[in-house]
Amino acid sequence: EADIYQTPRYLVIGTGKKITLECSQTMGHDKMYWYQQDPGMELHLIHYSYGVNSTEKGDLSSESTVSRIRTEHFPLTLESARPSHTSQYLCASERGGGAFYTQYFGPGTRLTVL
Amino acid sequence: AQRVTQPEKLLSVFKGAPVELKCNYSYSGSPELFWYVQYSRQRLQLLLRHISRESIKGFTADLNKGETSFHLKKPFAQEEDSAMYYCALSGYNTDKLIFGTGTRLQVFP
Repeated sequence: EADIYQTPRYLVIGTGKKITLECSQTMGHDKMYWYQQDPGMELHLIHYSYGVNSTEKGDLSSESTVSRIRTEHFPLTLESARPSHTSQYLCASERGGGAFYTQYFGPGTRLTVL
Repeated sequence: AQRVTQPEKLLSVFKGAPVELKCNYSYSGSPELFWYVQYSRQRLQLLLRHISRESIKGFTADLNKGETSFHLKKPFAQEEDSAMYYCALSGYNTDKLIFGTGTRLQVFP
């Protein structure tokens, strides 16, 4: 079934650790996005990608990095986690092309940095 | 500047009452407007988009270019409508979806 997956769903980690949040989609979409969302709050775009080998920074300054080596995979990495990184991270994908298509969201990863 | 404004952080109504969630936008050109919804413990998902001109779960939204608004309406709210609602904008002058800050709708029995 075509879907967008995020792992882990929950992560509690200590300050200074390196972490990678995984996002994969089987929808065949070109565009992928990472958002940061505090519960019940606004969404902040932190990274996006138009396709393989394409990555762009979003509106929110972030200490994270992303890569897009395969169309279906868009992992987000924090080299050194800090308590300020505690948040929910949402991955989304969208069909490419010139028109404006729906973004499909994953279930999210809730990150807590102690 | 391209911007989406949702002036209400919280909207509380009783079941059966009409609901209007406000959304105003700033955009030079012809925008594509969306409403996304996030129910408790569920994914953020598309509710409707203006180009489709459809009613989803009894909700409708009309694009008013004169007032630069895209308010979401439902004549009779249900308890299951309680959720977080985000208005969003896209267009040829932006390479990403621009979200508003969201409005939490609470429908009391």
